[in-house]
Amino acid sequence: AQSVAQPEDQVNVAEGNPLTVKCTYSVSGNPYLFWYVQYPNRGLQFLLKYITGDNLVKGSYGFEAEFNKSQTSFHLKKPSALVSDSALYFCAVRDYRTDKLIFGTGTRLQVFP
Amino acid sequence: DAGVTQSPTHLIKTRGQQVTLRCSPKSGHDTVSWYQQALGQGPQFIFQYYEEEERQRGNFPDRFSGHQFPNYSSELNVNALLLGDSALYLCASSPGGGLAEAFFGQGTRLTVV
Repeated sequence: AQSVAQPEDQVNVAEGNPLTVKCTYSVSGNPYLFWYVQYPNRGLQFLLKYITGDNLVKGSYGFEAEFNKSQTSFHLKKPSALVSDSALYFCAVRDYRTDKLIFGTGTRLQVFP
Repeated sequence: DAGVTQSPTHLIKTRGQQVTLRCSPKSGHDTVSWYQQALGQGPQFIFQYYEEEERQRGNFPDRFSGHQFPNYSSELNVNALLLGDSALYLCASSPGGGLAEAFFGQGTRLTVV
């Protein structure tokens, strides 16, 4: 069975500091990994995806993610956090047989001024 | 491009009633998936429609049913509502096949009382 885990319920970071939101995955076959962000009372917005190729994936709003096959991780990063980045972040893996997305439990990012 | 649109945005129903939620996919997308997001949890896959057929189904009871129309729009129906059905229901659309990311609507907040 395919799954992702987000070990941190909440991450706190000061504005201007780098941020990391962690995700580990368990898949059979090639991993298709995604990050989505959810603002209060809103749907999910796509940030970035890893299909194949470079281990460093660049996405929207200055976010990037590092794919690490040996550690089965796909951590979300940003060099300099903004207060407006405060939101709920979800890591997901796509089941390659069914195309459904399997989400983690989410990590709440709080950026303090 | 209007993106994925869902209606209504909020809904309050009584236990035992039936509800229908609607989704219009992003232009050019022919695949629609539905997810249930309970409070404090990640979205859970309900089912997916492609070419007006249910292609995949998650671990949800038969009280949850759906439909896709020739214009690719979709409905989610839930019969005999339970208090535990209270959640944010998300619709996602994607182009059929390939590895493109799914786009999500803003969701319908269903409250069962």
